[in-house]
Amino acid sequence: SQTIHQWPATLVQPVGSPLSLECTVEGTSNPNLYWYRQAAGRGLQLLFYSVGIGQISSEVPQNLSASRPQDRQFILSSKKLLLSDSGFYLCASEDRGKNYGYTFGSGTRLTVV
Amino acid sequence: AQSVTQPDIHITVSEGASLELRCNYSYGATPYLFWYVQSPGQGLQLLLKYFSGDTLVQGIKGFEAEFKRSQSSFNLRKPSVHWSDAAEYFCAVGARGTYKYIFGTGTRLKVLA
Repeated sequence: SQTIHQWPATLVQPVGSPLSLECTVEGTSNPNLYWYRQAAGRGLQLLFYSVGIGQISSEVPQNLSASRPQDRQFILSSKKLLLSDSGFYLCASEDRGKNYGYTFGSGTRLTVV
Repeated sequence: AQSVTQPDIHITVSEGASLELRCNYSYGATPYLFWYVQSPGQGLQLLLKYFSGDTLVQGIKGFEAEFKRSQSSFNLRKPSVHWSDAAEYFCAVGARGTYKYIFGTGTRLKVLA
């Protein structure tokens, strides 16, 4: 089974600072990878997904970006954080072509101050 | 349009009582259906999934769900709720070969001792 490592668990960053959240996956190869965000009391918002190295699809235009430098590594970045970037960020993975459902990481709580 | 509706934002039940969480979907293709649970500050965990076959599926933690095509529903049930079941529950729908699942907005379950 898959295991997703996400770090850090908690992050407090000033407005205008850069961001880098990392997600790595164990127990599978060639997964589909996803970044979701949950605002307080809200549902899940898909930000980015990737079906392969270097292949990134953006769902919501914003000041965030994603990269997939290795097969099982997915990075969420920003050059300048906004207050509205605060939220709970979740990385997810799914075996490509299997549709068995996502495996989620434990999330990163980002507070922009 | 493809969508998932979880009509109940909050549900409160007493410990030991039965539970049913509702999920209705609108999807053009034969749906793959999922239920996830999220404890506070944690990632989502897959409870169960339905692809085809028997319309009553069993999951982890004593949960089950029933797929009713005629009603476009996939309701989650548990015969006797435990205090540890207090969490948020998400229904999701997709299809074979899809990259992305559509999530409902979640139902927050509170369990009274």
